[in-house]
Amino acid sequence: DGGITQSPKYLFRKEGQNVTLSCEQNLNHDAMYWYRQDPGQGLRLIYYSQIVNDFQKGDIAEGYSVSREKKESFPLTVTSAQKNPTAFYLCASSMTQGDPTLHFGNGTRLTVT
Amino acid sequence: EDKVVQSPLSLVVHEGDTVTLNCSYEVTNFRSLLWYKQEKKAPTFLFMLTSSGIEKKSGRLSSILDKKELSSILNITATQTGDSAIYLCAVGLFTIQGAQKLVFGQGTRLTINP
Repeated sequence: DGGITQSPKYLFRKEGQNVTLSCEQNLNHDAMYWYRQDPGQGLRLIYYSQIVNDFQKGDIAEGYSVSREKKESFPLTVTSAQKNPTAFYLCASSMTQGDPTLHFGNGTRLTVT
Repeated sequence: EDKVVQSPLSLVVHEGDTVTLNCSYEVTNFRSLLWYKQEKKAPTFLFMLTSSGIEKKSGRLSSILDKKELSSILNITATQTGDSAIYLCAVGLFTIQGAQKLVFGQGTRLTINP
């Protein structure tokens, strides 16, 4: 079955540590996205990538970094510079850069204490 | 600043009721409006609307876009407990790079009581 796999489902970290969230897709989609979801705020775009080795900042990129070395993979690193990292993180993909219909993974809930 | 606002934020109804969820937007470079359903984790796609006044239907769910009023509604008739979820509205915008970026509303949490 094709889909998007995010791991781990739950992640706990101490303040000051960097942490990397995994996102893998086998849909052969060109574009991939990272969103953050906080209660009452909907989804906010962190980074997106239209093709391999290329990515753009979204609306809330500060304190985050990404890479896109393979078409299937788009890992997100939450750095110690992110002031409020506790949130639910969703990875998504779309067939092409112009296709707005996103396929989402099941998310990673990150808790930083 | 591009903005998408959903109302109500929360709604509780009884099974069998009909509900209407609202989405309004103020954006530049509008391309499309999309509705997603989020039950537990992953949002799933419901509808994409690009033309004003044309209703899209899927079973008991329907949606329509009004570009003059910069808004859309999502209707659910004969609600069932399985319709309980967060309903997300998103507006697709053109970007400088030629991609399409989505701006999401806060979501409406719908609860259907038996």
